[in-house]
Amino acid sequence: QSALTQPASVSGSPGQSITISCTGTSSDVGGYNYVSWYQQHPGKAPKLMIYEVSNRPSGVSNRFSGSKSGNTASLTISGLQAEDEADYYCSSYTSSSTLDQVFGTGTKVTVL
Amino acid sequence: EVQLVESGGGLVQPGRSLRLSCAASGFTFDDYAMHWVRQAPGKGLEWVSGISWNSGSIAYADSVKGRFTISRDNAKNSLYLQMNSLRAEDTALYYCTKDTVGGAKDYWGQGTLVTVSS
Repeated sequence: QSALTQPASVSGSPGQSITISCTGTSSDVGGYNYVSWYQQHPGKAPKLMIYEVSNRPSGVSNRFSGSKSGNTASLTISGLQAEDEADYYCSSYTSSSTLDQVFGTGTKVTVL
Repeated sequence: EVQLVESGGGLVQPGRSLRLSCAASGFTFDDYAMHWVRQAPGKGLEWVSGISWNSGSIAYADSVKGRFTISRDNAKNSLYLQMNSLRAEDTALYYCTKDTVGGAKDYWGQGTLVTVSS
């Protein structure tokens, strides 16, 4: 149950696009299309942004998109806005069961 | 409106026990798996434990296996986490979460803080 690997920080200017990577193994990210992404502002509970690799829940801006290639999943934020500054975490099933999960190490997104 | 309200956190000495509760409302509780996720101060998210809708399947992170026990009472719309042999490294904000498709967590409580210290 090792944490998925994410870059510690990513930054961009307003209006730009940024991509956050989430690297695992064939036992988690690479083995299932069950990657989800969460946004967390300081002092707040996490919010689901993407589920099943690329699906957006109702109410989440279409500026957020997800994808996966092999053992690496990615979250792209296009048209970066000040309100997007937050911590972002990926998560995936692991091979043990449909309940076993693992989170990524987290990425701090800074809007310059 | 979906609500998840955790309770039971507090300051506890190393080696002692604590029981967390999560009261759920606004959805059909026994249709969904539920999980506990924790976050140590200034750190990232860590999945702790999950339980299927009927308690038939249960899973734990290696870091808590053998010390923590998850359970649910569908009649009371409640989720629990019994934490024994607590360690300093268990200090964290504990979130109750509801599962949706693909294991994603679409609703989170506000968390209950557990501090393990002498």
